[in-house]
Amino acid sequence: QKEVEQNSGPLSVPEGAIASLNCTYSDRGSQSFFWYRQYSGKSPELIMFIYSNGDKEDGRFTAQLNKASQYVSLLIRDSQPSDSATYLCAVNGRNTPLVFGKGTRLSVIA
Amino acid sequence: EAQVTQNPRYLITVTGKKLTVTCSQNMNHEYMSWYRQDPGLGLRQIYYSMNVEVTDKGDVPEGYKVSRKEKRNFPLILESPSPNQTSLYFCASRPTGGSTGELFFGEGSRLTVL
Repeated sequence: QKEVEQNSGPLSVPEGAIASLNCTYSDRGSQSFFWYRQYSGKSPELIMFIYSNGDKEDGRFTAQLNKASQYVSLLIRDSQPSDSATYLCAVNGRNTPLVFGKGTRLSVIA
Repeated sequence: EAQVTQNPRYLITVTGKKLTVTCSQNMNHEYMSWYRQDPGLGLRQIYYSMNVEVTDKGDVPEGYKVSRKEKRNFPLILESPSPNQTSLYFCASRPTGGSTGELFFGEGSRLTVL
């Protein structure tokens, strides 16, 4: 059973700080890694994807991947109250369904 | 507008009364999938379909059926709903081959079985 693990939180950070969200996965053959944001009662929306080791930046968001450690993280710089949501890590291998973690709830305190 | 449409969005029903949740996408995606989301359990895959007439079980298929007769539609059928199927359901789709792998989600269907 392929597993994706996340700390459920809540992770509380003050407005303007960096929020760091972490995810580990069990399948060493995993190839694609995604971060989805989900507001309460709403559907998940993709905010970042990463395929290669290293960092990928998009605006205030940076995804980091370390395949040797089977670890993927999401950094949110200059956190805003509107970033308060649940963040879902998702992983898949070649031609295998996406597996989601249970999500980390982030709370940005104004 | 590119979208995944689920109906109904909200439904309260009783044990044993068959129901169907429809899902339709207008993006010509090959892959479609159903998830249920429960507090503390995250998103769990019920069934998925790689293309027309091809369906496979996900992690929690018991009590559900699906069909994929047309590319755009992927209905979820609960033949005899039970209270443990009370949940928030999401349909999702994506293209296969050459895509980023991004899943496009419907708005969700909140089902209550009494």
